[in-house]
Parts: sequence; C-alpha cells; structure tokens
Amino acid sequence: TQLLEQSPQFLSIQEGENLTVYCNSSSVFSSLQWYRQEPGEGPVLLVTVVTGGEVKKLKRLTFQFGDARKDSSLHITAAQPGDTGLYLCAGEDQAGTALIFGKGTTLSVSS
Amino acid sequence: EPEVTQTPSHQVTQMGQEVILRCVPISNHLYFYWYRQILGQKVEFLVSFYNNEISEKSEIFDDQFSVERPDGSNFTLKIRSTKLEDSAMYFCASSGESRYNEQFFGPGTRLTVL
Repeated sequence: TQLLEQSPQFLSIQEGENLTVYCNSSSVFSSLQWYRQEPGEGPVLLVTVVTGGEVKKLKRLTFQFGDARKDSSLHITAAQPGDTGLYLCAGEDQAGTALIFGKGTTLSVSS
Repeated sequence: EPEVTQTPSHQVTQMGQEVILRCVPISNHLYFYWYRQILGQKVEFLVSFYNNEISEKSEIFDDQFSVERPDGSNFTLKIRSTKLEDSAMYFCASSGESRYNEQFFGPGTRLTVL
C-alpha cells in the first residue's frame, strides 16, 4: 500500500519566520504534487515535481523532490499570514489514475 | 481561468435517500475523478472516469455509488441509499493531457446525512 506521511501535522509560527514541511514515503512516485486547501474549499494545485532532485520555486515557496523520488519538502521563506492553510502532498498511485494524499500540514502564521 | 464547478455546495439528506452530486469539469479535460474528505481526515480517492467508463475505483466505491457523464459537460456521482458515514465533503477533479496527472479540484459539495 502506498502511503504518504506528512510532518509536522501542525505548525504555528510568527510572520517572517522560515519553515519546512515534509512529505515522505517508502514507495517511489513518478511525480508528486503539492496542494493548498482552505477550510471548506477544494485543494488548489501549487506545483508538480517530477524529476529526482528537482527544485521548483514559486515566489517564497521552494519545493524539492528527493533523489530517489520517495520524498519531497516544501520550504517557505519569510512566512506571511496569507500563507495560512492546509498543505497537502499527493502522488499518483501505481494504477496511474488516483492521487494518494497525505494527511497534510496545517500552517498558521500570525502577525 | 477555467475551473471545475460543483453543485450543490451543501446537501442535507435523510439516511436511505438517494443523492446526486454534480460537477462540470474543465472543458477540454478528458479524465474525471471523485474524491471525498471526511471531516478532519485526509482526501480519499473514490473513482476515476475516462472515455465514458470507470478506469479505477477504490474500496470505498461500492455498489451504492455510481458515476455518469450524461452529456458533454456534466459528471455526476450518485449515492443510492445514503448512510450516516457518507457524510463528507465530496470533491470532483479533472485532468487533461498532462503526463503527470495534474488534477484540478472543484470547491466541493458538503453532504450531511441525518
């Protein structure tokens, strides 16, 4: 069974701090996607990482895919209150259609 | 920017009743999906649909569930006889020709079964 474990589960920080959240698995994924979800809304796709060792930047967000394609990280620089939300990683299952989601990291940034 | 839409946003029903949740995927997408998220839990895959047939389904998607693409735009999820444990947010998603199965999600329908 493919599983994605995310850590930490909750993170509460002050505006301006840096943070990293992690997404780990014992399985290899062909790609991993990061989503952000607001309460009562659907997940919004942030980025897809596809190559082992790949680094993608989206403004203050930096996404990295592990060399073995089993893990990924999301680093936020100088967090702002607008970054508050649930961050989810998801990978394609072996059958190739379903996305398997992690439980997510709930980030709270206070000013 | 094109987006996935879902109706209704909230649905309250009595246990044992049938419900139909509706989705309009992004217009040039070919793959359609339903996921659910029970309050406080992770997003779970239900079913994927391509070329007018189910391509993959999870253990959750039992005989009480069915999907249909009745016309060129709508994609529906029917639950025949709802149970209390069907209460959840239901998300529709669609994806196009991307090699990496990038799925775009709708805002969800909150289903409450009483």
